[in-house]
Amino acid sequence: QQQVKQSPQSLIVQKGGISIINCAYENTAFDYFPWYQQFPGKGPALLIAIRPDVSEKKEGRFTISFNKSAKQFSLHIMDSQPGDSATYFCAARTSYDKVIFGPGTSLSVIP
Amino acid sequence: NAGVTQTPKFRILKIGQSMTLQCTQDMNHNYMYWYRQDPGMGLKLIYYSVGAGITDKGEVPNGYNVSRSTTEDFPLRLELAAPSQTSVYFCASKRIGDDEQFFGPGTRLTVL
Repeated sequence: QQQVKQSPQSLIVQKGGISIINCAYENTAFDYFPWYQQFPGKGPALLIAIRPDVSEKKEGRFTISFNKSAKQFSLHIMDSQPGDSATYFCAARTSYDKVIFGPGTSLSVIP
Repeated sequence: NAGVTQTPKFRILKIGQSMTLQCTQDMNHNYMYWYRQDPGMGLKLIYYSVGAGITDKGEVPNGYNVSRSTTEDFPLRLELAAPSQTSVYFCASKRIGDDEQFFGPGTRLTVL
């Protein structure tokens, strides 16, 4: 199944709080799981990514948690800031470097 | 480096008209992609190319055509525009062996 599910569709978090976005997939052939961040009027940009042989990856305030047996992965944004307000897409890579995107989560961080 | 550039930024078409969305990258990337983004739907792959002269269909190719005569350019052609093709179109590129795709700023297309 070439699909990546993502929730929630939208998220409002107070400044300094933790933002959590969850994703799930079916295809065990996916070999790379990136998260993209998109600001209004801009193209998506790679935020952080993980491979399925790793359970967690942290880069600054951003952490991916990966559960291979459950086929789920999530993005945690610690100490969320208003500048983090954007749309976040989880994704998974298939053969020939094709990437399947989730539907996106609109994050608003309020002061 | 300019990265991935797309023209035009905006376009309004009438039903049945045709147009070409331009995409150019100056990073000497082998792989190039065309996506469309609809509200609440994420990005859907239209076509992709692994090198000059090689193209293949993605998830939603109907109504579109592509060509790749050079490494730098990957134009997307709409032959008979339909309202269902109203969307934001993104071009992306990637170096072979690398993981990251680099996206252009997008083209917002409206078909009326």
